[in-house]
Amino acid sequence: SQQGEEDPQALSIQEGENATMNCSYKTSINNLQWYRQNSGRGLVHLILIRSNEREKHSGRLRVTLDTSKKSSSLLITASRAADTASYFCATEANYGGSQGNLIFGKGTKLSVKP
Amino acid sequence: KAGVTQTPRYLIKTRGQQVTLSCSPISGHRSVSWYQQTPGQGLQFLFEYFSETQRNKGNFPGRFSGRQFSNSRSEMNVSTLELGDSALYLCASSLVPGLAATDTQYFGPGTRLTVL
Repeated sequence: SQQGEEDPQALSIQEGENATMNCSYKTSINNLQWYRQNSGRGLVHLILIRSNEREKHSGRLRVTLDTSKKSSSLLITASRAADTASYFCATEANYGGSQGNLIFGKGTKLSVKP
Repeated sequence: KAGVTQTPRYLIKTRGQQVTLSCSPISGHRSVSWYQQTPGQGLQFLFEYFSETQRNKGNFPGRFSGRQFSNSRSEMNVSTLELGDSALYLCASSLVPGLAATDTQYFGPGTRLTVL
């Protein structure tokens, strides 16, 4: 089953607005990563936040992590049409034969209208 | 530095056929992972190769296999294709295995496989 679950599944906003996506996960983690995927293409790594970090910034991106609630959020400020994409959170697998590889949530589809 | 490349980008096959997909990692990267992405199941880990050895494998049937060459290039093979194998297959590379949790995996553009 998926480790991370993003919420909402889809989000539609106007350019200039902020977009917030949430991710919940099930097991303890060492870190959590966020990726972006433009329609049907490869994944682009956005940001990694470690379990001992609570907040991290990268340009217009802000990620928070609450390990007590097993949740993370990705905030994109002053969104642009080019931010239209699907956003995935990912955590490392730590069971069976998949140790160290990424487990992805099902993603949030963000649409930014000009 | 060139990114991860995958060939072919698009592929159409019929049920029962087999298919081979190729992935060239970033220069210097020795670990290659494969993922399958479908609308229903999302992104799922297939397997990881390092030093020509399969290091990890996800929960996929034996029809899915792979290998890695001495130059770190990797191929995955799906035999006896089923309609449900239609998916975007993504390859990712990293310097060494086990760093996915603490380092970045770099993804290729994917191969879109359609099974008719």
